[in-house]
Amino acid sequence: DGGITQSPKYLFRKEGQNVTLSCEQNLNHDAMYWYRQDPGQGLRLIYYSQIVNDFQKGDIAEGYSVSREKKESFPLTVTSAQKNPTAFYLCASSFRRTSGGYNEQFFGPGTRLTVL
Amino acid sequence: AQSVSQHNHHVILSEAASLELGCNYSYGGTVNLFWYVQYPGQHLQLLLKYFSGDPLVKGIKGFEAEFIKSKFSFNLRKPSVQWSDTAEYFCAVHTGGFKTIFGAGTRLFVKA
Repeated sequence: DGGITQSPKYLFRKEGQNVTLSCEQNLNHDAMYWYRQDPGQGLRLIYYSQIVNDFQKGDIAEGYSVSREKKESFPLTVTSAQKNPTAFYLCASSFRRTSGGYNEQFFGPGTRLTVL
Repeated sequence: AQSVSQHNHHVILSEAASLELGCNYSYGGTVNLFWYVQYPGQHLQLLLKYFSGDPLVKGIKGFEAEFIKSKFSFNLRKPSVQWSDTAEYFCAVHTGGFKTIFGAGTRLFVKA
């Protein structure tokens, strides 16, 4: 089955610790994204990547870091510098359209991070 | 700044009632438009999309949306909702660059 997997589903972290959230896709999509979902605020873009070894900051990148060493993988690290890290994190991917722009995004099941 | 506005944060309907969820965006150029749905405990998934052509698009489960360019709107409709439509609905706009902007979401609760 093609799709996006995220792990773990639930994650607990102590203040001051870095933590890495996994995201893997087998859809052969070029683009991958990380969003943060908070109640009443929709999805806010943290980072995105169009190709391997390249990524760009989104709207709320402070306190987060990513890597894109393989097309299939786009892990997100939540660092201790992130002031309010407790949230639901969603990973997504999409195809580039031949006519320009990107197709719809496919989403993973999400990781709920709680900082204690 | 580009933005997407969903008018209702919470909607409560009885089964068989008609549904219309509003979505407006602020961007003057060409757009691709999407509605996504998140059922309880499930992945966010695509409901329908508009790229070009007929501004009335049909999606899964009887949903449709109409793109009105002059009003910068892409409202979602369903003539008769079911209890299983209880979910959170997100409007999203892709403006041709890389970024897709999501609205804040509308939580729909359908009473059986």
